Amino acid sequence: DTGVSQDPRHKITKRGQNVTFRCDPISEHNRLYWYRQTLGQGPEFLTYFQNEAQLEKSRLLSDRFSAERPKGSFSTLEIQRTEQGDSAMYLCASSVAAGGTEAFFGQGTRLTVV
Amino acid sequence: DQQVKQNSPSLSVQEGRISILNCDYTNSMFDYFLWYKKYPAEGPTFLISISSIKDKNEDGRFTVFLNKSAKHLSLHIVPSQPGDSAVYFCAASGGYKLSFGAGTTVTVRA
Repeated sequence: DTGVSQDPRHKITKRGQNVTFRCDPISEHNRLYWYRQTLGQGPEFLTYFQNEAQLEKSRLLSDRFSAERPKGSFSTLEIQRTEQGDSAMYLCASSVAAGGTEAFFGQGTRLTVV
Repeated sequence: DQQVKQNSPSLSVQEGRISILNCDYTNSMFDYFLWYKKYPAEGPTFLISISSIKDKNEDGRFTVFLNKSAKHLSLHIVPSQPGDSAVYFCAASGGYKLSFGAGTTVTVRA
């Protein structure tokens, strides 16, 4: 399967713990995005990488959130000191730099903070 | 601020009939528009897109119409099939990131 892959699919964690999610984009895509979706809402943009460079971070991304994309391949999103408000679906997407802006999404990581 | 709005949270349509989903946007800088389909517990799946230089794009049963002066786009699904039951998101882009509406849940009745 050459689609966007996310791991884990589900994560339950206690408040205050740190969590890390991984995203493997489509191999030829050099743009990678993280979005967050809560119940009843559409996905909200969190951050964007072109190759290994993080070019934009949303104001939704507090200091507890950090994302990396070493070597321009896979990406990780870490949330430190999780809060109940962090409970959401975290979606990764990738696209090519040229042409249209169709982004292809992974299946997401469902985070539940208890 | 919600720059993309889908004002109908749900739509019920009979199998074989047309489904029409609507979307409005406020940002004049948006130049590319997309529709995504989402099943529960899965990520959004790209469906169809349209550039601001066009007013219509067709792909099989799916047609997207863009009215730039009204800042309005719509998705037509003809004929509707049971497998079309899902949440549909409208999205808009002015560069690389997407702004999404809140979604419309479509239910196709047999």
